[in-house]
Amino acid sequence: QKEVEQNSGPLSVPEGAIASLNCTYSDRGSQSFFWYRQYSGKSPELIMFIYSNGDKEDGRFTAQLNKASQYVSLLIRDSQPSDSATYLCAVDSSGSARQLTFGSGTQLTVLP
Amino acid sequence: DTEVTQTPKHLVMGMTNKKSLKCEQHMGHRAMYWYKQKAKKPPELMFVYSYEKLSINESVPSRFSPECPNSSLLNLHLHALQPEDSALYLCASSQAEPGQTALEAFFGQGTRLTVV
Repeated sequence: QKEVEQNSGPLSVPEGAIASLNCTYSDRGSQSFFWYRQYSGKSPELIMFIYSNGDKEDGRFTAQLNKASQYVSLLIRDSQPSDSATYLCAVDSSGSARQLTFGSGTQLTVLP
Repeated sequence: DTEVTQTPKHLVMGMTNKKSLKCEQHMGHRAMYWYKQKAKKPPELMFVYSYEKLSINESVPSRFSPECPNSSLLNLHLHALQPEDSALYLCASSQAEPGQTALEAFFGQGTRLTVV
C-alpha cells in the first residue's frame, strides 16, 4: 500500500522563526510532490510543488526533495501567525492510474 | 485563473433525499476529481475522471454517483445517504493525464454536506 506519512503535530513556532515540516513516502516511483495549506473549514490550497531532487524556493517557502531517502520537506521562513494552518503533503502515485495520495497533515501554529 | 467552482457551499439533506453537487472549471483541465474529507483527516479520493471517462472509483458506495457531462463540469449525485456521509466534499482538477508528468491539482472551496 502506498503511504505518505507526516508528523501530525501540533507544531508550534514563534513568529519570525523557521517552521520545518516533514514528509516521507513509500512509493519509489512517485514523481511529483506537493504541499497544500488548509485553513480550518476551508479547502486545500496548493502552495508548493517539486519534481526534482534538491531545493525549490518561492518567497518564504522552500520545498526540499530527496528521492533516495524518499523524503520531502517544507520550510517556512519568517513564520507569521497567518501561516497557522494544517499543511498536507501529497504525492503523485506511480502506475497507470495516477492520483494524489495525501499525508495526514501537520497542524502548524505560529505564536505572536 | 486557477479557479474551481463548487455549488452549493452548504447542503443539508435527509436520508431519503436526492441531491447533486456541482463542480466547474475553465482551466482546460482534462482530469477532475471528487474527494471526501472528514474533520481533522486528509482528503480521501472517491472518483477520478480523465477525458470525461471514469478512470478511478475507490470502492465508493453506489449511493454516490458521479457524472461528467463535459470537460468543464463534474457532478456528484447523492441518494439515500447516511449520517456518516456528512463531510466536506471537494472537487479538484488537474492538467495532466495518466501517463504524463505533473499532477498539480487545484481544489474548489468544497461543499459542506450534512445528512440528517
